[in-house]
Amino acid sequence: DIRMTQSPASLSASLGETVNIECLASEDIYSDLAWYQQKPGKSPQLLIYNANSLQNGVPSRFSGSGSGTQYSLKINSLQSEDVATYFCQQYNNYPPWTFGGGTKLELK
Amino acid sequence: QVQLKESGPGLVQPSQTLSLTCTVSGLSLTSNSVSWIRQPPGKGLEWMGVIWSNGGTDYNSAIKSRLSISRDTSKSQVFLKMNSLQTEDTAMYFCARMGVYYGLLLPYFDYWGQGVMVTVSS
Repeated sequence: DIRMTQSPASLSASLGETVNIECLASEDIYSDLAWYQQKPGKSPQLLIYNANSLQNGVPSRFSGSGSGTQYSLKINSLQSEDVATYFCQQYNNYPPWTFGGGTKLELK
Repeated sequence: QVQLKESGPGLVQPSQTLSLTCTVSGLSLTSNSVSWIRQPPGKGLEWMGVIWSNGGTDYNSAIKSRLSISRDTSKSQVFLKMNSLQTEDTAMYFCARMGVYYGLLLPYFDYWGQGVMVTVSS
């Protein structure tokens, strides 16, 4: 199974700041990567697929990049509604689909 | 619009069997694949299994011996049954649809149910 490692596990940032979350795959996943946002008490929502394609309706301050085994999610101009836990997920080799451990984003 | 909704008991005794239902609307199960994914309190997401649009199934090898996923297409329902439950199975259980684009499978999850919390305790 492909292992997905996210960093950091948690981070605190101020409104308007730029935030970066990293995701490392245990092998090349050829950009078959999705990012999800999970707000407290809610189900995950798809933000990005194919490593850098924004899902319909997702604000343009979210962006994804990366290739091979290293990927990142960037949030520009952090808003209060972005407080959530973010998960990466690979779909290059499935089943199983595997997720990163999550990054909890809080406001400073 | 596409909607998924999980239902089932909130409390299950250890060693018993968990039965959950995912009722979908706005999509047909004969052209959509649905997965079950769980999340222990305060932890990450674990993919459990999938029922493909053709009715075939795949399971996470870690729980394969205890898990069964089935469906009733006429009722737009997907079922999960997992036996020999232990306290470590306490989690929020989600069903989620795999994306589809003009009949092409997109192997990530674009619609999720609200989840159902299951506690394993005597």
